[in-house]
Amino acid sequence: EVQLVESGGGLVQPGGSLRLSCAASGFTFSTYAMNWVRQAPGKGLEWVSSISGSGDTTYSADSVKGRFTISRDNSKNTLYLQMSSLRAEDTALYYCAKDSGSYWGEIDYWGQGALVTVSS
Amino acid sequence: DIQMTQSPSSLSASVGDRVTITCRASQGITNYLAWFQQKPGRAPKSLIYLASRLQSGVPSKFSGSRSGTDFTLTITSLQPEDFATYYCQQYKTYPLTFGGGTKVEIK
Repeated sequence: EVQLVESGGGLVQPGGSLRLSCAASGFTFSTYAMNWVRQAPGKGLEWVSSISGSGDTTYSADSVKGRFTISRDNSKNTLYLQMSSLRAEDTALYYCAKDSGSYWGEIDYWGQGALVTVSS
Repeated sequence: DIQMTQSPSSLSASVGDRVTITCRASQGITNYLAWFQQKPGRAPKSLIYLASRLQSGVPSKFSGSRSGTDFTLTITSLQPEDFATYYCQQYKTYPLTFGGGTKVEIK
């Protein structure tokens, strides 16, 4: 059974940093691209960043480029999102999502999310 | 960026109804379109990929179709567990983009 468990969320001041983790199990982690997708309170889904199975290719939304970094440790079956220079508008529930392996960006499983609140 | 315009933003329906949700892409995405269901307080769940293929375990009451850059999610015989918000998403190219969502409420 595929499981994705996010952690590392919390309250952070504007301009601060936070690192999210997503522990994956139930599949061969290194074989699949992974994604971060966020959802601001009461709003829709917004793609944040994606990374290839090997970790050598990444994509990020313009809204987070230069501030957020996606990475992975395939030896630990863990996906990361390093967030810096956080802004109030980054407040959201951050979901880790697995690609299907057939096409880039084709998501088949989602984690339960980690809440990030940026506020003074 | 490819814009995904989803309509309606909300609808009211009764148990047993058939509902249709539409998603229009701002440019061609062939069939690289997925649909997700999200219930309050829950993570999204994948329903359909490649415009019309059901994810494993998704009941056949859900179906998807494509006509050019217009995509449709149809739910037949609506049941209480189907009341949720539905999102489309294109994965033809990055940035990945989602529709604004359609909230299906009980009439």
